[in-house]
Amino acid sequence: AQSVTQLDSQVPVFEEAPVELRCNYSSSVSVYLFWYVQYPNQGLQLLLKYLSGSTLVKGINGFEAEFNKSQTSFHLRKPSVHISDTAEYFCAVSDEGSGNTGKLIFGQGTTLQVKP
Amino acid sequence: DAGVIQSPRHEVTEMGQEVTLRCKPISGHDYLFWYRQTMMRGLELLIYFNNNVPIDDSGMPEDRFSAKMPNASFSTLKIQPSEPRDSAVYFCASRHSGRAYEQFFGPGTRLTVL
Repeated sequence: AQSVTQLDSQVPVFEEAPVELRCNYSSSVSVYLFWYVQYPNQGLQLLLKYLSGSTLVKGINGFEAEFNKSQTSFHLRKPSVHISDTAEYFCAVSDEGSGNTGKLIFGQGTTLQVKP
Repeated sequence: DAGVIQSPRHEVTEMGQEVTLRCKPISGHDYLFWYRQTMMRGLELLIYFNNNVPIDDSGMPEDRFSAKMPNASFSTLKIQPSEPRDSAVYFCASRHSGRAYEQFFGPGTRLTVL
């Protein structure tokens, strides 16, 4: 069975500092990986996704993530955060075995708190 | 495009009452997902539909929960009778089978059962 572990429940960081949100997954098959962001009182919005190809994936709002198959990780990074990046971030996985359903398994989420 | 629409945005009810949550997916999307989000359990998939047909309801917690999709533009999630432990934010999401795996989420319904 697949699972996703987000290693930090909260990440406080000062504005303009770099940040990394960690995500590890467990799966016996090839996977597709995603990061979603949830702003307060809103639904989830896709930040970026890895399906195949280059292991470095760029997303919206200056975020990027790197797929590391040997370490089964998909960490999210941003070189300089803004106050507006304060939100909950979710890592998710979907395996090729799920066919075309796009069924996702989500991690527990990481709260990014950007301080001025 | 209006995005995924959910109603109501907030619902407060008393234990034992019936609750109906509604979702309008994005036009043209052929998959619809219902999720529940709580502090304790995070984001859980309850059920999903493909072309209005329920495909996997293994996440539905109990018989008190039921979901329907009578047509491509409307789905409901019903809880009868409701219990305080059902308090959560319920999200609906939709996607098009031609767009690899990107799910579009609605704003959610915050349910409080007293």
